[in-house]
Amino acid sequence: QQQVKQSPQSLIVQKGGISIINCAYENTAFDYFPWYQQFPGKGPALLIAIRPDVSEKKEGRFTISFNKSAKQFSLHIMDSQPGDSATYFCAASFSRNQFYFGTGTSLTVIP
Amino acid sequence: GAVVSQHPSWVICKSGTSVKIECRSLDFQATTMFWYRQFPKQSLMLMATSNEGSKATYEQGVEKDKFLINHASLTLSTLTVTSAHPEDSSFYICSARDFVGGDTQYFGPGTRLTVL
Repeated sequence: QQQVKQSPQSLIVQKGGISIINCAYENTAFDYFPWYQQFPGKGPALLIAIRPDVSEKKEGRFTISFNKSAKQFSLHIMDSQPGDSATYFCAASFSRNQFYFGTGTSLTVIP
Repeated sequence: GAVVSQHPSWVICKSGTSVKIECRSLDFQATTMFWYRQFPKQSLMLMATSNEGSKATYEQGVEKDKFLINHASLTLSTLTVTSAHPEDSSFYICSARDFVGGDTQYFGPGTRLTVL
């Protein structure tokens, strides 16, 4: 059973546009929700993370929106750049245990 | 920031041989390390959780005798793929959680294993 569902599978955005990736989870015990960015042939790198007591967190061009009642969270990339083209994974965990990853979104930002 | 290294970054071996992959936390102590396997254009699949000084906990369907994990120190965990076969070819990634129990996992750069 997929603990974290991610959509869309792929996304194409114009340079300067907003990229939005969505994730949904079932387990209400999850208390930590990170987003990772992965370039081909590289390991995932932590982008930004949020806890369920906060509805939004912003770091530079990256924002996480969190909806606890709907059990959903999303990543917004403002002013998307070609260098943002990568695969993005959401994840969820509880009590510092293993991460449950989403299936990934391949983002392409076209000039 | 927290840095995790892996060695080697890529390896090619013959079928039937064993391959060891090292995962090191360079600037922090990691009580827990995780080993993942990733197929092209797919998500990360957790193989096992490794705690320093104790036996690793393997996920369902992962062969313990084939994927040997050792976490002998707070900065080093190793994954040995024994009697490798072409179907073991994959991208293996480790991650580490720091000693003070932070939630974040820091990932290594991955190791590309190709078994001929």
